[in-house]
Amino acid sequence: GENVEQHPSTLSVQEGDSAVIKCTYSDSASNYFPWYKQELGKGPQLIIDIRSNVGEKKDQRIAVTLNKTAKHFSLHITETQPEDSAVYFCAAETSGTYKYIFGTGTRLKVLA
Amino acid sequence: DAGVTQSPTHLIKTRGQQVTLRCSPKSGHDTVSWYQQALGQGPQFIFQYYEEEERQRGNFPDRFSGHQFPNYSSELNVNALLLGDSALYLCASSRPWQGIYEQYFGPGTRLTVT
Repeated sequence: GENVEQHPSTLSVQEGDSAVIKCTYSDSASNYFPWYKQELGKGPQLIIDIRSNVGEKKDQRIAVTLNKTAKHFSLHITETQPEDSAVYFCAAETSGTYKYIFGTGTRLKVLA
Repeated sequence: DAGVTQSPTHLIKTRGQQVTLRCSPKSGHDTVSWYQQALGQGPQFIFQYYEEEERQRGNFPDRFSGHQFPNYSSELNVNALLLGDSALYLCASSRPWQGIYEQYFGPGTRLTVT
């Protein structure tokens, strides 16, 4: 069935360093890949997304890359700040299925 | 512009009881999806409502049912509650754009079953 694997499960970086979170999806028909940030006691917040016809997308300190052949996509956060500390989820959607398949999450800790 | 709102924030129920959770979508959105998020896990898709009908359903038993109203708001009902139903229930609203549904989540309802 459809599956999204996410690594690592926890990630600690020093403030100012970069963080990379990786996801692999199983459904080759998946065509939309959003990333969410979830802070304690809150719902997931959409931070960036990418469609299957694009290889890379950047928004200030955040970027996402997609390798359709390998069925991998990654979130890159540069110049990390303490407020980046949260749980990050990747997801994949196949057009026409109307549902997101989420990864298991990465707890990012940015150490001041 | 108000985002997705959910009520109640927290709820405590006993095994075997029934519960109703409510969701109001973001302004301009006509589609509502419900997800269950167990502690330490990613959200799991329950179902999606569009035009007052269930359009897609995940791997959840019939004890989970829903409804969408003409104003696009939605309810999630869970019957015969089990301890394993304890979780954060998330509502997400969306509208199609170029074939893609960007989903925006509410803060969730924390359900505890004792």
